[in-house]
Amino acid sequence: GDSVTQMEGPVTLSEEAFLTINCTYTATGYPSLFWYVQYPGEGLQLLLKATKADDKGSNKGFEATYRKETTSFHLEKGSVQVSDSAVYFCALSDRSGGSYIPTFGRGTSLIVHP
Amino acid sequence: GAVVSQHPSRVICKSGTSVKIECRSLDFQATTMFWYRQFPKKSLMLMATSNEGSKATYEQGVEKDKFLINHASLTLSTLTVTSAHPEDSSFYICSAHLFGTDTQYFGPGTRLTVL
Repeated sequence: GDSVTQMEGPVTLSEEAFLTINCTYTATGYPSLFWYVQYPGEGLQLLLKATKADDKGSNKGFEATYRKETTSFHLEKGSVQVSDSAVYFCALSDRSGGSYIPTFGRGTSLIVHP
Repeated sequence: GAVVSQHPSRVICKSGTSVKIECRSLDFQATTMFWYRQFPKKSLMLMATSNEGSKATYEQGVEKDKFLINHASLTLSTLTVTSAHPEDSSFYICSAHLFGTDTQYFGPGTRLTVL
């Protein structure tokens, strides 16, 4: 079945550092890929998405490129802020099966220090 | 657009009582909604898929008689935790599928504490 693997956290960075959170996936069809962010005590917010190979999703300075050849969707940000501290979830939604139930990674906690 | 609300945001109840959590899609119709449970520092656990006008589909290991799900309209799904016990204490999150897309939008979550 489908699966998503994220790097284990927590990832601890200083403000203005470069961020990479790795995400790889396995899927039987042609999935769409997502990054969600969860701030403490809140639900998940859609951060960005990409629907096909080589698409780049971007939002709030975060970017991720759909790499079919490496089955990856790594999240990057050039300069993190303290307010970016949260848990980040990589997910896929496999459209070919006709179902939109997403598959989530385990989440990666990001802690940004001033 | 694509806003999902949950009510209540927090609830504390006594053991043995039932608690109802509402999930609403505010500006779109959702034929499918999902209910998740999240333990501290853990990923999301899908509990069930709720389809408007039909019975919910529960994931393996989730007791359907304990976690009652009703999806009576295109904008509302409810989760009722029956005869709650302290081990049911958790963060419950719903999401709604925006029809015609492959994207889910999440509610803000409900913190349930059973004493």
